[in-house]
Amino acid sequence: AQSVSQHNHHVILSEAASLELGCNYSYGGTVNLFWYVQYPGQHLQLLLKYFSGDPLVKGIKGFEAEFIKSKFSFNLRKPSVQWSDTAEYFCALHGDGGSQGNLIFGKGTKLSVKP
Amino acid sequence: GAVVSQHPSWVICKSGTSVKIECRSLDFQATTMFWYRQFPKQSLMLMATSNEGSKATYEQGVEKDKFLINHASLTLSTLTVTSAHPEDSSFYICSARVGVKEKLFFGSGTQLSVL
Repeated sequence: AQSVSQHNHHVILSEAASLELGCNYSYGGTVNLFWYVQYPGQHLQLLLKYFSGDPLVKGIKGFEAEFIKSKFSFNLRKPSVQWSDTAEYFCALHGDGGSQGNLIFGKGTKLSVKP
Repeated sequence: GAVVSQHPSWVICKSGTSVKIECRSLDFQATTMFWYRQFPKQSLMLMATSNEGSKATYEQGVEKDKFLINHASLTLSTLTVTSAHPEDSSFYICSARVGVKEKLFFGSGTQLSVL
């Protein structure tokens, strides 16, 4: 079955700590992968995306993610978090399923950064 | 966890007809629902924000007369694509939340194909 798993439901870090949020997927074909962020009171924003090419993708605000095909993973990282990174983070998969599109979201990981 | 049901998952229609997509929160009351669309090889684009009992707020460039959004109850929002044309073919997905700081839950999406 097609799915996206985010294992961490809530992560609490202090400022300047390093961040890694896990994302694993299950899909039998070619995938496009996304990380979205939702800041409190706002709608979704795209952090970064992977379609093809370099598996290490750099996004906005110092975030990066690495696509590891053999592990079916697309983990999000940031070397040093800030209080303003407090938000909910969603990993999503878009599969190239022929003419029928599908977008599958993980359940999200809430990140709380303590000042 | 909370479930957002989106229906239909796939619809094909003739050019000039209207299509209604439903988004229901099954076990919680959604004060706010969001509607997004995604074109192939692109990320999600927010179309509009729908608050129960009030008019939807549309993003710039989204035609409110073409994409009619109704949020008549705390558990149901509908998106009607009026006089659909082939360029409206896309993947539409809704999301819902209880309050401003509450978690976002996603529907499973609707693939619209206009012939």
